[in-house]
Amino acid sequence: DQQVKQNSPSLSVQEGRISILNCDYTNSMFDYFLWYKKYPAEGPTFLISISSIKDKNEDGRFTVFLNKSAKHLSLHIVPSQPGDSAVYFCAGNSGSARQLTFGSGTQLTVLP
Amino acid sequence: DTGVSQNPRHKITKRGQNVTFRCDPISEHNRLYWYRQTLGQGPEFLTYFQNEAQLEKSRLLSDRFSAERPKGSFSTLEIQRTEQGDSAMYLCASSLAQAGAYEQYFGPGTRLTVT
Repeated sequence: DQQVKQNSPSLSVQEGRISILNCDYTNSMFDYFLWYKKYPAEGPTFLISISSIKDKNEDGRFTVFLNKSAKHLSLHIVPSQPGDSAVYFCAGNSGSARQLTFGSGTQLTVLP
Repeated sequence: DTGVSQNPRHKITKRGQNVTFRCDPISEHNRLYWYRQTLGQGPEFLTYFQNEAQLEKSRLLSDRFSAERPKGSFSTLEIQRTEQGDSAMYLCASSLAQAGAYEQYFGPGTRLTVT
């Protein structure tokens, strides 16, 4: 049972344009959501998070939107830069252990 | 560098051998997690420690797997009698238990190949 789904395995965007990465979840117990970026041969790097009581969180070029009724979140990167090329994972967080449940990732390629 | 460190970075072993990985978390973090990542998938939760206590284990953690965090600092993950299906990236993460902030910080991982 995939509790977190990232349905687009890959996305290509031109440098300077907006990148939109999407994520859907099924577990209503998630109360916190996080986005991670991963380069090859490295561990995931925390990018931005959002609590379920909010619908938007912004940090520089990165904005995460949460639509609880649709169980959907998205990450907007604007403007996109070639250095943003990486695999992006969304994750839901819940439970006493606060373990993360990850999606399968989206490979973002920003073309110069 | 005061981030999460993991050793070794790569391990190749023959089926049936035992392997042990080490994780050193960020020093002030009291929570430590182990995840496993296979190709094309996101990391999957294996187990969790708060200080030295192992408080939760995933059903993915078979009897051949054991984890310890003896003094609430570094942690080890041992796999006994390795199988080819154990080949994966093993990731360690740490966090500070505080309400409203649940970010976990990951190490670079240990890539295990079982031949």
